[in-house]
Amino acid sequence: AQKVTQAQTEISVVEKEDVTLDCVYETRDTTYYLFWYKQPPSGELVFLIRRNSFDEQNEISGRYSWNFQKSTSSFNFTITASQVVDSAVYFCALSEHAGNNRKLIWGLGTSLAVNP
Amino acid sequence: DAGVTQSPTHLIKTRGQHVTLRCSPISGHKSVSWYQQVLGQGPQFIFQYYEKEERGRGNFPDRFSARQFPNYSSELNVNALLLGDSALYLCASSLEDRGYGYTFGSGTRLTVV
Repeated sequence: AQKVTQAQTEISVVEKEDVTLDCVYETRDTTYYLFWYKQPPSGELVFLIRRNSFDEQNEISGRYSWNFQKSTSSFNFTITASQVVDSAVYFCALSEHAGNNRKLIWGLGTSLAVNP
Repeated sequence: DAGVTQSPTHLIKTRGQHVTLRCSPISGHKSVSWYQQVLGQGPQFIFQYYEKEERGRGNFPDRFSARQFPNYSSELNVNALLLGDSALYLCASSLEDRGYGYTFGSGTRLTVV
């Protein structure tokens, strides 16, 4: 069965600390996509990154970086030099692309609080 | 360009009533998906439509239904509302049906009393 696990329910850091959000996934498919979304208190899900199962290159975008490792089925997200504006709930999601399966499967989210 | 727009923003309904939620996708996007997000949890897939056809259905009772119109906008209908239907309902649009990229609206906060 497909599953996404975000073991960290809540994380609290002080501004300028680095923080890593963990994501572990389970899938039987060989072709899939992994996503990270940010959900601020306003509720809207903000897209951060998409990675396909054939691309294990790590990616860096400003203060954000992602580490995809198929060997451990993990897709971790690191925020460097965190800021108060990074405070939000972060979701990892999995999308399979076999047959008629079109849905995103989500983790429970990690609530990040960055304190001044 | 307008993003994904959902209406209404907030809604309060009584148990047993019916509700219709609306979603307008990004211009040019032909796929619309609906998700339910209960407080403190990740979104749960309800439906996906592409070119007015249902392409996916989640594990929700038949009280939940949806449709997509020729202009690709979509409605989610929920009949015989239960207290447990209280949630944030999110709509996502994508260019293709396989959802290589999903853009979400701000959601409709439904409260059933």
